[in-house]
Amino acid sequence: GAVVSQHPSRVICKSGTSVKIECRSLDFQATTMFWYRQFPKKSLMLMATSNEGSKATYEQGVEKDKFLINHASLTLSTLTVTSAHPEDSSFYICSAKGGHSRGGYTFGSGTRLTVV
Amino acid sequence: QQQVKQSPQSLIVQKGGISIINCAYENTAFDYFPWYQQFPGKGPALLIAIRPDVSEKKEGRFTISFNKSAKQFSLHIMDSQPGDSATYFCAASSVSLSSGSARQLTFGSGTQLTVLP
Repeated sequence: GAVVSQHPSRVICKSGTSVKIECRSLDFQATTMFWYRQFPKKSLMLMATSNEGSKATYEQGVEKDKFLINHASLTLSTLTVTSAHPEDSSFYICSAKGGHSRGGYTFGSGTRLTVV
Repeated sequence: QQQVKQSPQSLIVQKGGISIINCAYENTAFDYFPWYQQFPGKGPALLIAIRPDVSEKKEGRFTISFNKSAKQFSLHIMDSQPGDSATYFCAASSVSLSSGSARQLTFGSGTQLTVLP
C-alpha cells in the first residue's frame, strides 16, 4: 500500500516565527500533492496543489507568501507557515497522488499547529 | 469551490443499528464520489467510492447509494459498531474541474458519528 508520512504531528510555536511541515511519500512517487487546512469539527479546505518541480497552485483566498509550498522532489513536499499568528493555528493535512492506495490518494496523518 | 452538502452534522446510533449519511452536489461534472473516515488527530482514510455509472456499491458493512438524477449519494453503515465512531466526509471530484490531470477533492462538511455500545 501507499504510505504518506507527515511531520511533525504536533508543533507549538511563538507568534512571528516560521514553521515547516513535511510530507513524504515513503513507497511511491507523488507527482502531485495537496495541502489542506482543517478547523476543529470542520471540513477539509484545499489550500494548494503542488506538482513536482513547478510552482504550487493556490486556492482563492490563500496567501501564497504566507503559506510557502515546495515540492522539490517526487517524494517530498513541504509547507512553511511564515510569520505565524494565532489565527494560523489549525490542523494541516497533506495528500499525495500516486502509488497503489485505494482511490489513488493517500493522506498524511496531519499536523496540529498551535501558535501562541 | 464547488460545493458538496452533507447531512446530518452529527449522528448517534445504537450498536447494531444502521447509520445513514447523505450528501448532495450541484455540479454535474463531478464523476467520482468517495467517502472518507477520519479519527481524531488523524488524516482521512478512504472508505469506499463510487462512480456515477452505478447506483449502488457495497463493501462489507458499507454501502454507497447513488442517485444521479437527484444528484445525491449516501453512505449506509450496516450493523454499526462502536469502532465506527469517527467523522465521515463525503467528497466529489472531476478531472475537468482540477488543475492539470490530478483530481481535486471537494469535501462535504463532515458528520460526526457516535455508535453507542
